[in-house]
Amino acid sequence: DTEVTQTPKHLVMGMTNKKSLKCEQHMGHRAMYWYKQKAKKPPELMFVYSYEKLSINESVPSRFSPECPNSSLLNLHLHALQPEDSALYLCASSLSPSGANVLTFGAGSRLTVL
Amino acid sequence: GENVEQHPSTLSVQEGDSAVIKCTYSDSASNYFPWYKQELGKRPQLIIDIRSNVGEKKDQRIAVTLNKTAKHFSLHITETQPEDSAVYFCAASISSNTGKLIFGQGTTLQVKP
Repeated sequence: DTEVTQTPKHLVMGMTNKKSLKCEQHMGHRAMYWYKQKAKKPPELMFVYSYEKLSINESVPSRFSPECPNSSLLNLHLHALQPEDSALYLCASSLSPSGANVLTFGAGSRLTVL
Repeated sequence: GENVEQHPSTLSVQEGDSAVIKCTYSDSASNYFPWYKQELGKRPQLIIDIRSNVGEKKDQRIAVTLNKTAKHFSLHITETQPEDSAVYFCAASISSNTGKLIFGQGTTLQVKP
């Protein structure tokens, strides 16, 4: 298995809802990432998990809460989001958190906040 | 802070022509430089990468060159085809061992048949 799988593909939520995005990989990668991407812009790093521990939080608002239950799974819990949070949320993984390792992206979860 | 500049922001070529996209990075300790292609509505996909101990790498119609002294790296696509049309992002690793990449702003390549 050489893929990063994300669910759901699309999500529409109101500003008072609580939802979660899920990411899974079975490549034995020990670094996992959440990125946010707006149309025609580069991916923006949100969080990095290294060996199941949160190693980077790029000053992301607390309405986004990451979780790494085990080495294969990564979740992003969403609560009280704003319309400007509408974006494509990409999960990625790499063999380890070395800057020289290939980053493999999932297909993304497209989030719309009403 | 770390920065990657990418030019041009848009590029239109005729099918069969070559396309060149250039990036400049600021962190002299960067040692890994991937290029991603992103088609509309799809995930970014790695098309080629280069490490700092190599000056050039080629894979069929795609090549990447790296000039460490000038902190430049470039993507070259020869014999372009309509399916090469996409947004291309360059990226550079940062010096700390975090897995963090700094992305360029992207180049929208249009290949006209």
